[in-house]
Amino acid sequence: GAVVSQHPSRVICKSGTSVKIECRSLDFQATTMFWYRQFPKQSLMLMATSNEGSKATYEQGVEKDKFLINHASLTLSTLTVTSAHPEDSSFYICSPVHNHQETQYFGPGTRLLVL
Amino acid sequence: QKEVEQNSGPLSVPEGAIASLNCTYSDRGSQSFFWYRQYSGKSPELIMSIYSNGDKEDGRFTAQLNKASQYVSLLIRDSQPSDSATYLCAVNYGGSQGNLIFGKGTKLSVKP
Repeated sequence: GAVVSQHPSRVICKSGTSVKIECRSLDFQATTMFWYRQFPKQSLMLMATSNEGSKATYEQGVEKDKFLINHASLTLSTLTVTSAHPEDSSFYICSPVHNHQETQYFGPGTRLLVL
Repeated sequence: QKEVEQNSGPLSVPEGAIASLNCTYSDRGSQSFFWYRQYSGKSPELIMSIYSNGDKEDGRFTAQLNKASQYVSLLIRDSQPSDSATYLCAVNYGGSQGNLIFGKGTKLSVKP
């Protein structure tokens, strides 16, 4: 399977601060990046889809100005949670995909706790 | 609205038994089907993928697909305590590359 890293693995921050999460595909070039979040005892929910070099497409109910996605290279994408609030506390997981792959692999996830 | 349904469980089986996990999906246009295992606090890891009707075996795991019934299952033979996890069924409806719809998962507990 694909090797995907995420950093940080866990972050605690104060309400109102911004948090940046990095996702790297280590052994392939990711033309597409999916960002998910998962609340406790819930399933994975797609937040947004980004293609390298273009703007991300956000799912309904996800604020694009709050969750900033940058996919500037084929191996790195970042998700920035701006002005985080306690309700943003969740498990954020990236999933880089190569054009020719059908199988979807996931990063190890970032657990965000906003106090 | 495209949906993927799973029994949330928990499903409890004794060690060495066969665990049977089921999933139904709503759209007949579905292209590909996946089973992921998710341990508590971890991200999902792929176990099996299946694309055509019938059975697909990989070690102790067998995925079964019946497109007419819109049903996909995962059998785990000789269940081990280390198999205790939440199993997510995911369906690709053929939209954007890799865009999966996930079920809520079935929690499996294998008792020693």
